[in-house]
Amino acid sequence: EAQVTQNPRYLITVTGKKLTVTCSQNMNHEYMSWYRQDPGLGLRQIYYSMNVEVTDKGDVPEGYKVSRKEKRNFPLILESPSPNQTSLYFCASSFGQGSYGYTFGSGTRLTVV
Amino acid sequence: AQKVTQAQTEISVVEKEDVTLDCVYETRDTTYYLFWYKQPPSGELVFLIRRNSFDEQNEISGRYSWNFQKSTSSFNFTITASQVVDSAVYFCALSDPTGNQFYFGTGTSLTVIP
Repeated sequence: EAQVTQNPRYLITVTGKKLTVTCSQNMNHEYMSWYRQDPGLGLRQIYYSMNVEVTDKGDVPEGYKVSRKEKRNFPLILESPSPNQTSLYFCASSFGQGSYGYTFGSGTRLTVV
Repeated sequence: AQKVTQAQTEISVVEKEDVTLDCVYETRDTTYYLFWYKQPPSGELVFLIRRNSFDEQNEISGRYSWNFQKSTSSFNFTITASQVVDSAVYFCALSDPTGNQFYFGTGTSLTVIP
């Protein structure tokens, strides 16, 4: 089944403790992206990647890092999480560029206390 | 700067009524892409439609239709004969010419009452 898999689905952590949210897709998509969803703000793009080793900032990259060492994986790294990073996170992938339409993962609900 | 506005925060309709979800966008680009996504109560995000800026033809897919008007910078979404399964949050989105950077609206929560 074609899908984008995120892990974990739920995560509660403490301020300052580094964490990684994994994202993997099995569709051989070149393009991948991370979003956060907050009430009243919709989805905001954090980072995107056009292909292996090619990443760039979205609208809200502060406090996040990404890497794209393999085509299928695009992990989101929070080196020192803070409570304002409590949010619902979505990974997405697309054939070619994102303009073809995304396939989204199921989301990761992160709480930073 | 790019921006997407969905002024309707919440809408409630009775089943079988038609409903239109508004989307207004701002961009300086002449080439861009517009999208609608659905987020049902289960939380996943589902792609509904993509439209490029050079294609102003309206589109119909079953009970769903989309009206793209460049003159008013709008890309509205109509559900005809709404059903309870249409209850969801609907997001309108705009991408830059490269398709790399995306801007989502704040979403419209639609509740269809049986």
